[in-house]
Amino acid sequence: QQQVKQSPQSLIVQKGGISIINCAYENTAFDYFPWYQQFPGKGPALLIAIRPDVSEKKEGRFTISFNKSAKQFSLHIMDSQPGDSATYFCAARLSGSARQLTFGSGTQLTVLP
Amino acid sequence: DARVTQTPRHKVTEMGQEVTMRCQPILGHNTVFWYRQTMMQGLELLAYFRNRAPLDDSGMPKDRFSAEMPDATLATLKIQPSEPRDSAVYFCASGKDADQPQHFGDGTRLSIL
Repeated sequence: QQQVKQSPQSLIVQKGGISIINCAYENTAFDYFPWYQQFPGKGPALLIAIRPDVSEKKEGRFTISFNKSAKQFSLHIMDSQPGDSATYFCAARLSGSARQLTFGSGTQLTVLP
Repeated sequence: DARVTQTPRHKVTEMGQEVTMRCQPILGHNTVFWYRQTMMQGLELLAYFRNRAPLDDSGMPKDRFSAEMPDATLATLKIQPSEPRDSAVYFCASGKDADQPQHFGDGTRLSIL
């Protein structure tokens, strides 16, 4: 019940295209859903995050769509660029005192020039 | 920009040796997390501190791993004795408080021969 399932494992997109990464969860006690971007040799960096009282959040070319009833959320990268090539992780955080993040398994995105 | 600093960045040692990894959280952050990243298991939480007190270390093999915060500017993760299966990238992250985003360091890449 603590798991966050992420798909696809890898994704190849042409420059200018839309990249879509999906995540699903079971535990309704999760109350915060961040996405992290990781480049080789670097730590994950927070990209964008959403809380379950909002269905969509947009920051620049990055949008999170959140479907509370389906327990699913997704990251959309519009106008994908080669510089977006990285590994993307979704995560979910428990409410209450614990506050740990549970991470998805990651999606390796390659944007072709 | 304030950053989480981890040392060493790389460590290669023989099985059975003690390994100490260090983390300097961002000044003013009171939560510290240790994660391990492997291809097979992804990002796993090992330990979590708030105000220097350990809140959760259930993800850590207790017989060989230990995590401490001697002061607010230093967190340590020790492995003794180390084993080849401990080979991974170990990340430290810090947050301003439990409800704020976690900021990751660039990790320690550990290889146990």
